[in-house]
Amino acid sequence: KNQVEQSPQSLIILEGKNCTLQCNYTVSPFSNLRWYKQDTGRGPVSLTIMTFSENTKSNGRYTATLDADTKQSSLHITASQLSDSASYICVIQSTNAGKSTFGDGTTLTVKP
Amino acid sequence: NAGVTQTPKFQVLKTGQSMTLQCAQDMNHEYMSWYRQDPGMGLRLIHYSVGAGITDQGEVPNGYNVSRSTTEDFPLRLLSAAPSQTSVYFCASSRTDLDEKLFFGSGTQLSVL
Repeated sequence: KNQVEQSPQSLIILEGKNCTLQCNYTVSPFSNLRWYKQDTGRGPVSLTIMTFSENTKSNGRYTATLDADTKQSSLHITASQLSDSASYICVIQSTNAGKSTFGDGTTLTVKP
Repeated sequence: NAGVTQTPKFQVLKTGQSMTLQCAQDMNHEYMSWYRQDPGMGLRLIHYSVGAGITDQGEVPNGYNVSRSTTEDFPLRLLSAAPSQTSVYFCASSRTDLDEKLFFGSGTQLSVL
């Protein structure tokens, strides 16, 4: 069973609208949580990194939140743009060296 | 600054053939890793290295070998290609193995017939 579950699997929104992507995890022990953006045909690119003690982290129009008690994270995208169309991947880094667990990703499509 | 460079970008193999996927980084990163990405699935770790001369297995290492003779290079070898190894392969690096964001290459699309 995947220890990182992302929802929804896919999402379609209109340009200019906001959206929120979810990530639930059971990975333990936990070191940090990262969100990556992967454009079609490209490698993932880091958006945010949060440690256990951080609740929120922003990167421009992207805001990630973390609730370590409930083991949930969200990625909120504000005022979406066509270039936001991509797959968004949640990654949990264990405190064990070299061990990262990737979610399956949420595919976001922004339409004009 | 090139970052993480992967070659080739596309490759078609016949079952049983061997080949090496190349990965090089110019950021002096200690940590390097290989992943495969299959449709509808998350990235899965094949092998990783925390420094020159040190490698370890990830989640799905069978059928693959790696070596790390230099800090810059981390090639992935397919010993005897199988159709199940048809996938997109990504190499990634980070400064250290913990609490660091990964920098990914652009990927290699591999088809095994």
